[in-house]
Amino acid sequence: QVQLVESGGDLVKPGGSLRLSCVASGFTLSDYYMTWIRQAPGKGLEWVSSISSSGDIIYYADSVKGRFTISTDNANNSLFLHMNSLRTEDTAVYYCAKRQYGDYVGFDYWGQGTLVTVSS
Amino acid sequence: IQMTQSPSSLAASVGDRVTVTCRASQHINTYLNWYQQKPGKAPNLLIYAASSLQSESPSRFSGSGSGTDFNLTISSLQPGDFATYYCQQSHSSPLTFGGGTKVEIK
Repeated sequence: QVQLVESGGDLVKPGGSLRLSCVASGFTLSDYYMTWIRQAPGKGLEWVSSISSSGDIIYYADSVKGRFTISTDNANNSLFLHMNSLRTEDTAVYYCAKRQYGDYVGFDYWGQGTLVTVSS
Repeated sequence: IQMTQSPSSLAASVGDRVTVTCRASQHINTYLNWYQQKPGKAPNLLIYAASSLQSESPSRFSGSGSGTDFNLTISSLQPGDFATYYCQQSHSSPLTFGGGTKVEIK
């Protein structure tokens, strides 16, 4: 069955870096559009970044552009989020999510989330 | 595209019919999805493309609307439905979510 497992969340100081990983099973990552979505404590959902199935189309939220980088490792069926110059407002649970097949559709599978805390 | 949900919270009883509204700041056709989130859990896709029921979602959930105005309706609220519901537009980047509607027990 389809499963997404995130890891890499940690406590980091402002200005620090972190790499989040999302290992996919039950499907081939390179066949689907993948996304990172975050949720600050007690707040709503915020889209962070997406990568197309081919890897040639990438989008970032303005709040993370220039600081975060999304990437994939197809050999290991894994998705990554490289986070630099972290700010206190980046504190959140980060989810990876798989988009349904097709365009303009929803996210049908989500990981359990990994907590990133940015604090001095 | 800004997504505005209303109400931000509501209290209802088991068996009630509940409707949550989502309004987009510009026309998004039917590129609108609904999610349910329970505390400490990842969101779960309920409805996609405004009115298509995701597989394994109970049939008491339904979605309607197009353009800028959308509704999520729960025909008969069940104990497991007390949760927060989010709409999300998939029309264009940046993808955006509504602020959420918390459905609580009356």
